[in-house]
Amino acid sequence: EDQVTQSPEALRLQEGESSSLNCSYTVSGLRGLFWYRQDPGKGPEFLFTLYSAGEEKEKERLKATLTKKESFLHITAPKPEDSATYLCAVIQGAQKLVFGQGTRLTINP
Amino acid sequence: NAGVMQNPRHLVRRRGQEARLRCSPMKGHSHVYWYRQLPEEGLKFMVYLQKENIIDESGMPKERFSAEFPKEGPSILRIQQVVRGDSAAYFCASSSDSMNTEAFFGQGTRLTVV
Repeated sequence: EDQVTQSPEALRLQEGESSSLNCSYTVSGLRGLFWYRQDPGKGPEFLFTLYSAGEEKEKERLKATLTKKESFLHITAPKPEDSATYLCAVIQGAQKLVFGQGTRLTINP
Repeated sequence: NAGVMQNPRHLVRRRGQEARLRCSPMKGHSHVYWYRQLPEEGLKFMVYLQKENIIDESGMPKERFSAEFPKEGPSILRIQQVVRGDSAAYFCASSSDSMNTEAFFGQGTRLTVV
């Protein structure tokens, strides 16, 4: 069965302290890995889609990378407004997404 | 270009009542997905629909839950005879052709069963 595991569950950083979030996946034939950001009381906000090992994508202070077994979301010099829950998901079957539990990121000023 | 619109944002129902959740996909999107997020749990797939067709309902509970996406109008997720365990945030997502491309989520409907 396809599985997505995110670590750590929660992460506290000081403003400007760079770090990485991990997403490990087990899926037969990866067709796409998604990263979303979710703020409290809001819907997931799309960040990136990665399709093949070695692929990288960047957006402002965020950079997502993909290997055959995991994906990393690197956060460089984060700001308090980067505080959110970050979700990772893979495509299962024809169309549905299987989500991890998320990493709750807090950036202290 | 409006995003995925869900209404209501908050819905309170007494046990045994019916809940109707609506989702209007982004303009030009014909694929709609419903997900449920229980307190302290991750997002779980419920159903995938295209216009007038249910493509995959493998995540839907067998009883009391149904979904539709008519030719005209929004997609509807219907929960009959709600119970306390149905309390959750229900999210709708839409995409233009398949989940291989960007899928955009609405703000969700938070259902509380009292």
